[in-house]
Amino acid sequence: EPEVTQTPSHQVTQMGQEVILRCVPISNHLYFYWYRQILGQKVEFLVSFYNNEISEKSEIFDDQFSVERPDGSNFTLKIRSTKLEDSAMYFCASRGWGEKLFFGSGTQLSVL
Amino acid sequence: GQQLNQSPQSMFIQEGEDVSMNCTSSSIFNTWLWYKQDPGEGPVLLIALYKAGELTSNGRLTAQFGITRKDSFLNISASIPSDVGIYFCAGQLNDYKLSFGAGTTVTVRA
Repeated sequence: EPEVTQTPSHQVTQMGQEVILRCVPISNHLYFYWYRQILGQKVEFLVSFYNNEISEKSEIFDDQFSVERPDGSNFTLKIRSTKLEDSAMYFCASRGWGEKLFFGSGTQLSVL
Repeated sequence: GQQLNQSPQSMFIQEGEDVSMNCTSSSIFNTWLWYKQDPGEGPVLLIALYKAGELTSNGRLTAQFGITRKDSFLNISASIPSDVGIYFCAGQLNDYKLSFGAGTTVTVRA
């Protein structure tokens, strides 16, 4: 079965540093998402992206966050100046038209 | 976003037992989804429900979309050790932005 691939699987960074989390969605998918899960808590929606622009974002997705599809295959989440509370598992997801959502295995971000 | 209440928060069950968990919401959804998450992995879709009142099975799993569109339950029959994990309900309106429940952690005693 096709997979959403996320790299790295673990990322450790210092508070205030910029991080970029990378995702390769399934190749013919059109809609892309980032979710996050703080340890022991529920999965939370961050942002959806379609046709090279943000479709919707949550209140978590503030000015410190940005997303980009720099080429035909990658979808990235950038956090400009990380805070301790940004520590979480970040999941990328993608779907085709009318199809179910496929999640990646996640990037565990630890901000020290 | 919408708040989903998922219960129970955790359960210990004997292998072979049936498991039941449910989700309720204060607002309606057009789709209810049930996911399973294994440690270090992303959520994997188990069952999707698209119509109020719908009852759907997937092997030993059975889920129903409540008639009010504000609730759903998931049953696992004859549990086995690989059923261990965290089960999440998720509600969806029209845009594939999912609202997740807090999860039910299932531990199976052999």
